[in-house]
Amino acid sequence: EAEVAQSPRYKITEKSQAVAFWCDPISGHATLYWYRQILGQGPELLVQFQDESVVDDSQLPKDRFSAERLKGVDSTLKIQPAELGDSAMYLCASSLATGTVGGYTFGSGTRLTVV
Amino acid sequence: AQKITQTQPGMFVQEKEAVTLDCTYDTSDPSYGLFWYKQPSSGEMIFLIYQGSYDQQNATEGRYSLNFQKARKSANLVISASQLGDSAMYFCAMRNTGGFKTIFGAGTRLFVKA
Repeated sequence: EAEVAQSPRYKITEKSQAVAFWCDPISGHATLYWYRQILGQGPELLVQFQDESVVDDSQLPKDRFSAERLKGVDSTLKIQPAELGDSAMYLCASSLATGTVGGYTFGSGTRLTVV
Repeated sequence: AQKITQTQPGMFVQEKEAVTLDCTYDTSDPSYGLFWYKQPSSGEMIFLIYQGSYDQQNATEGRYSLNFQKARKSANLVISASQLGDSAMYFCAMRNTGGFKTIFGAGTRLFVKA
């Protein structure tokens, strides 16, 4: 069964360091999402791509977060510098297209701990 | 503004019994989709069931059914014949049809007792 690949699975970093997460969506899925999930809360959308273009990054803290999907396939989310409050699960998801009826397919996530 | 409310932080159910997880939503858009996801302790989000706002019948997927009451803006998840493996966090979510963003509720943790 096709799945969304994410790495690393876990990451511990010191505050002020840079950290990066990688996501490879299901083949053929044009839309890719990065969500952040703080412990005890629901996921919150950080950025959404349609192919290589950003269609929504209104909740992305752009002073420290960046995201790219250069060839419209895999994607990288970067944090620089990391802060204690960035500790969370970072989930990547994909779908065939924006507005697709039905749910997204999520990866297993990257659990980030900033110390 | 869109909003999803899940008022039950935690629920207990006996194995083989049915359980209802509550979800209410708020939107001014006439066309939208409602979703339920399961998140086991391992962390991945698993899509369970979808209901479109214009669907005439309640959605069902195996042991999962969605009790959709449009006038009350509620979209409760019913799990029949609970199993130990159903113990997890459950999230209700909403997306306006053609829109870009799916928003999630705070979740309900379900504990299934043997």
